Amino acid sequence: DTGVSQNPRHKITKRGQNVTFRCDPISEHNRLYWYRQTLGQGPEFLTYFQNEAQLEKSRLLSDRFSAERPKGSFSTLEIQRTEQGDSAMYLCASSLEGLLSTDTQYFGPGTRLTVL
Amino acid sequence: QQQVKQSPQSLIVQKGGISIINCAYENTAFDYFPWYQQFPGKGPALLIAIRPDVSEKKEGRFTISFNKSAKQFSLHIMDSQPGDSATYFCAASYSGSRLTFGEGTQLTVNP
Repeated sequence: DTGVSQNPRHKITKRGQNVTFRCDPISEHNRLYWYRQTLGQGPEFLTYFQNEAQLEKSRLLSDRFSAERPKGSFSTLEIQRTEQGDSAMYLCASSLEGLLSTDTQYFGPGTRLTVL
Repeated sequence: QQQVKQSPQSLIVQKGGISIINCAYENTAFDYFPWYQQFPGKGPALLIAIRPDVSEKKEGRFTISFNKSAKQFSLHIMDSQPGDSATYFCAASYSGSRLTFGEGTQLTVNP
């Protein structure tokens, strides 16, 4: 499989619990992005990495959210003390930045989070 | 300045018809304008993209028209098919950074 993969696909948790999502980008893609999408809305940017460096974070990313990409390959997004308002689809995308860059971001299938 | 406005919110066309979705942007630094198609429960999939140095790009039944002076771009789906029924998002970015998405258009193609 050469696409972006995300795990788990679905997560149901109780308010106040911590959750962690994983994203595996397309091999050789050096940029990795996280977006959040609520029902009926377009995806909203959360943060992105180039290799292991986190280059930008949205103001949507409160201090309860943290993202890492420790070896410049897969990434994790952790939400601490989940709230019902965190219920959404969390999307990961990857792209290749460099001489062969096309700026195209390829999305994974997403992780659907439901906070009860 | 980061917003991308998309219209209409929903669109119903007959099989074989032309579907047209419009987007407008404010930030003149944007240099990449993709369109994504999304089915329920799935991630967005890239359909077609354009850069501001060309006014039109066609791939199969999908065409992007780009008007740099008006800061507008549109997606045309020719010979629309029931399988095209999905939500379509326009987006914009600069220098490969974050994508700013429109609000989405729910397209229904009736058989």
